[in-house]
Amino acid sequence: DAGVIQSPRHEVTEMGQEVTLRCKPISGHNSLFWYRQTMMRGLELLIYFNNNVPIDDSGMPEDRFSAKMPNASFSTLKIQPSEPRDSAVYFCASRGRGLGDLETQYFGPGTRLLVL
Amino acid sequence: GQSLEQPSEVTAVEGAIVQINCTYQTSGFYGLSWYQQHDGGAPTFLSYNGLDGLEETGRFSSFLSRSDSYGYLLLQELQMKDSASYFCAVRDRNTGGFKTIFGAGTRLFVKA
Repeated sequence: DAGVIQSPRHEVTEMGQEVTLRCKPISGHNSLFWYRQTMMRGLELLIYFNNNVPIDDSGMPEDRFSAKMPNASFSTLKIQPSEPRDSAVYFCASRGRGLGDLETQYFGPGTRLLVL
Repeated sequence: GQSLEQPSEVTAVEGAIVQINCTYQTSGFYGLSWYQQHDGGAPTFLSYNGLDGLEETGRFSSFLSRSDSYGYLLLQELQMKDSASYFCAVRDRNTGGFKTIFGAGTRLFVKA
């Protein structure tokens, strides 16, 4: 299994530009999570989906952030317009549906975003 | 609300045993997990406690006391490669499913 796939791995953009982060969860997993990690704020849950439906988006910082999951194998996190304070590592994670999988989240390698 | 507390840093020597504590406060507690993250890497799952007691996985063990809202991760026979950040995470039940809330992490330094 390829694991959780994220793209791009690195993104450098200028303030005001639109940024789109992509995630492909592990095949067969039915839960998907987007996290943001910074030194100051640690690992923050932004949003999570269950069976492609957004369940909790209370962690999404503001209206500039949006996330979609059009099907079970793909999700996007979009920032429009981007700001320097959005600079962080963004992780996507997925979780399976089996009894033995409910506790384990598998993280992708992350996207390192720098907004200048 | 939800909160987790764990020490920010721990230092130990190679071959020793170290315990990383975690206390939590949450409304819909369902279990406590531990994740390891090396610098520049992604968090990886170590262990999960849904019930009180000790879970052992090789050199790593994790303990949970639900009545005390407390858990710990125990690392034995420390190796240099164990230098990393360790996060406790609470699995919290909310409407529609479960979400995981992470602590701020404990940075473990293993010295020779």
